[in-house]
Amino acid sequence: KQEVTQIPAALSVPEGENLVLNCSFTDSAIYNLQWFRQDPGKGLTSLLLIQSSQREQTSGRLNASLDKSSGRSTLYIAASQPGDSATYLCAVGARGSTLGRLYFGRGTQLTVWP
Amino acid sequence: EADIYQTPRYLVIGTGKKITLECSQTMGHDKMYWYQQDPGMELHLIHYSYGVNSTEKGDLSSESTVSRIRTEHFPLTLESARPSHTSQYLCASSPPRSGQPNSYYEQYFGPGTRLTVT
Repeated sequence: KQEVTQIPAALSVPEGENLVLNCSFTDSAIYNLQWFRQDPGKGLTSLLLIQSSQREQTSGRLNASLDKSSGRSTLYIAASQPGDSATYLCAVGARGSTLGRLYFGRGTQLTVWP
Repeated sequence: EADIYQTPRYLVIGTGKKITLECSQTMGHDKMYWYQQDPGMELHLIHYSYGVNSTEKGDLSSESTVSRIRTEHFPLTLESARPSHTSQYLCASSPPRSGQPNSYYEQYFGPGTRLTVT
């Protein structure tokens, strides 16, 4: 069974810092990897989707990389802002399933203070 | 933008009551999912559906049941709520397989229902 681990569990930084959030997974047979943002008590908002054949995806100040062979992904946040405060979840799409199921990590809780 | 809705957003109910959590999507997606999430923990898949009249249990054992009579609607029912059912329930949907890997696994989530059973 696929296991997804996210490090660190929590991160508190001043505004303006560049951040790296880490995600690792145990089975490299993945279809893709998705990064989500979750605000307290809310649902998940998709940030970036990387296909298994891709190495990275970028959206604004966010950049996600994927190294399938080593089972790792990183989410880079440039010039962090207080509005970036949320929990960031990593999820991998398992290959070989017609369901399209995702396996989630527990998330990194990010606090950016002014 | 994804259009997936869940009601109610918050529910506090007594032990033994029957409850139904509603989920609907207007995107015509075939696949729909229910996840359960406790604070600080990962999402666990409890039910899924490939389409109308197709429902299956997920990884996490759950006393809830689901139905899929219409494509857009995927309600979850607890016949007799217990305090152990207190959690956040998230509904998601994803497009049918259309030859585009990008769309096959991308899931869109609703805002969630926070359930408290007293």
